[in-house]
Amino acid sequence: QQQVKQSPQSLIVQKGGISIINCAYENTAFDYFPWYQQFPGKGPALLIAIRPDVSEKKEGRFTISFNKSAKQFSLHIMDSQPGDSATYFCAASITGTASKLTFGTGTRLQVTL
Amino acid sequence: DTAVSQTPKYLVTQMGNDKSIKCEQNLGHDTMYWYKQDSKKFLKIMFSYNNKELIINETVPNRFSPKSPDKAHLNLHINSLELGDSAVYFCASTTGQGGSPLHFGNGTRLTVT
Repeated sequence: QQQVKQSPQSLIVQKGGISIINCAYENTAFDYFPWYQQFPGKGPALLIAIRPDVSEKKEGRFTISFNKSAKQFSLHIMDSQPGDSATYFCAASITGTASKLTFGTGTRLQVTL
Repeated sequence: DTAVSQTPKYLVTQMGNDKSIKCEQNLGHDTMYWYKQDSKKFLKIMFSYNNKELIINETVPNRFSPKSPDKAHLNLHINSLELGDSAVYFCASTTGQGGSPLHFGNGTRLTVT
């Protein structure tokens, strides 16, 4: 059962453009929604995260938008750069000792010159 | 100063063999995980240990056996390797409560021939 659905599977954006990746979740008990960035040959690394008590969180060029009623959240990368080319994963979890992150299927972003 | 280190980075072996992957974290975290990333980049949790105690055991063949000698180490032993076990295995750690970032190692690429 895929509890976190992510789209698109791949994305090509020109340098300076906006990259948008979308995720939808099913479990209303999820209360933590991070995004991870993975470069080839490396492990995923936390990029930015949000909790459902806010609708938006911004860190530099990266913004998460969160819609609790629609059970959707998205990552926006402003002024996309070639160095942003990576695979991006959304994830969700329930706060608690036995917490586990459920990941989306990943989006491969390529930023072209 | 690698926070989460895995060895080996690459592992090529034949079907039927037994192999182990080691993981160590120097972050002082209480909780460690094994994730499997398949060829389509999908990340799926396998196991989680909190202070050496197994707290998450997903539907994983019992050929896979995790062992945590102390809270800084989590090893993965795989018996009777099969072709379908080929994947990248990631170790990760966190402070133990949901809502804390997962810190991933750089993965072990296992190829079963």
